[in-house]
Amino acid sequence: DAGITQSPRHKVTETGTPVTLRCHQTENHRYMYWYRQDPGHGLRLIHYSYGVKDTDKGEVSDGYSVSRSKTEDFLLTLESATSSQTSVYFCAITEQGSSPLHFGNGTRLTVT
Amino acid sequence: DQQVKQNSPSLSVQEGRISILNCDYTNSMFDYFLWYKKYPAEGPTFLISISSIKDKNEDGRFTVFLNKSAKHLSLHIVPSQPGDSAVYFCAASGGANFGNEKLTFGTGTRLTIIP
Repeated sequence: DAGITQSPRHKVTETGTPVTLRCHQTENHRYMYWYRQDPGHGLRLIHYSYGVKDTDKGEVSDGYSVSRSKTEDFLLTLESATSSQTSVYFCAITEQGSSPLHFGNGTRLTVT
Repeated sequence: DQQVKQNSPSLSVQEGRISILNCDYTNSMFDYFLWYKKYPAEGPTFLISISSIKDKNEDGRFTVFLNKSAKHLSLHIVPSQPGDSAVYFCAASGGANFGNEKLTFGTGTRLTIIP
């Protein structure tokens, strides 16, 4: 798993509550990404980071924010969780921005 | 608008036979393609890639074929083994020098190898 840890692995939360997912890497890679996987949609990019404090939006960024204060940690926050954010969330890292992605094992989030 | 399409949600193949997974794309700017493999409760892992300057790339039992005129690529697995049972995602981007933020994934095909 290329030294990537996602936490928690599973979470159930209620609509309207804030949720933070964590991605921790031990590879010292510059690039980190958050994806969500949903049936019928494949993997879609939420946000990505190209360095400490350098982040940008992906395809499905509405309702999500990210922070990267250290090279090894990339946090994804759902500001006010909605049922449409029930999904499996994957973190990925790469050393270079166009190299194949190395994924973590995912966080399954259920918003009730 | 799904720019990368995997029209077969599932595929079953006898062990030892060839598995062929297909992927179609609509964006003519795509010129770098990858396949990822995903086991349950794990993240996807990179399998093989191909750029548009080639029409074939081989790595052991895995071969990817690219037909640019048809905007079609396929992944061949020969011979198929039980450990190949997984979901396979096709992905495409505007080139090897483009960042992963431009990567578009297909919806995946679940491959089941029958012993």
